[in-house]
Amino acid sequence: DIVMTQSPLSLSVSPGEPAFISCRSNQSLLHTNLYNHLDWYLQKPGQSPQLLIFLGSDRASGVPERISGSGSGTDFTLKISRVEAGDVGIYYCMQALRTPYTFGQGTKLEIK
Amino acid sequence: QVQLVQSGAEVKRPGASVKVSCKASGYSFTTHAIHWVRQTPGQRLEWMGWISVENGNTKYSERFQGRVTITRDTSATTAYMEVINLTSEDTAVYYCARENYDFWSGSVTFDFWGQGTLVTVSS
Repeated sequence: DIVMTQSPLSLSVSPGEPAFISCRSNQSLLHTNLYNHLDWYLQKPGQSPQLLIFLGSDRASGVPERISGSGSGTDFTLKISRVEAGDVGIYYCMQALRTPYTFGQGTKLEIK
Repeated sequence: QVQLVQSGAEVKRPGASVKVSCKASGYSFTTHAIHWVRQTPGQRLEWMGWISVENGNTKYSERFQGRVTITRDTSATTAYMEVINLTSEDTAVYYCARENYDFWSGSVTFDFWGQGTLVTVSS
């Protein structure tokens, strides 16, 4: 199975400040079709996970531009350029290259 | 609008089985696969398996192979996930999620999720 490792596991950020979450895989997620099969999900308190980013850097519908994904191969980053109160929750990366799909441990974002 | 509505919370004894349902509405049920993901008390997400709603083909994580069965009833637009031989380690919130597959990129995402079903296994 592909192992996904996130860091940090928790993050406390002041409103308006940036936040960065790292996700690493133990195998390359770059498909032969040159797409990175790495998704990001956010689970807000009391809710089900929701898709933020797919294929490493494509925003899902309705996701604001201040949230972006980057990276390739085995190293990926989720960036929130200006954190808002509504961004609190647990962020997960997930590899969708091959089954079993596997998730990172999650990164809990809090507001200072 | 797309909705996945799951069955209610369950409390089971060790060794028992549980079957969770996931009722889909707001889209053509047979055009999207359904996946099942569980969330442990430690907040870890684990992918369990998926079903092609169109033809009923399934694939399971080896971790759950032999203990988990995913089925669907197209007339009821409902998917089901059954776990047998429950242990305390199976205490978790179980989610169904709709797959959105893009043919050109091969991208697989989970674009809609059920509300989750808490299964508690306790003697």
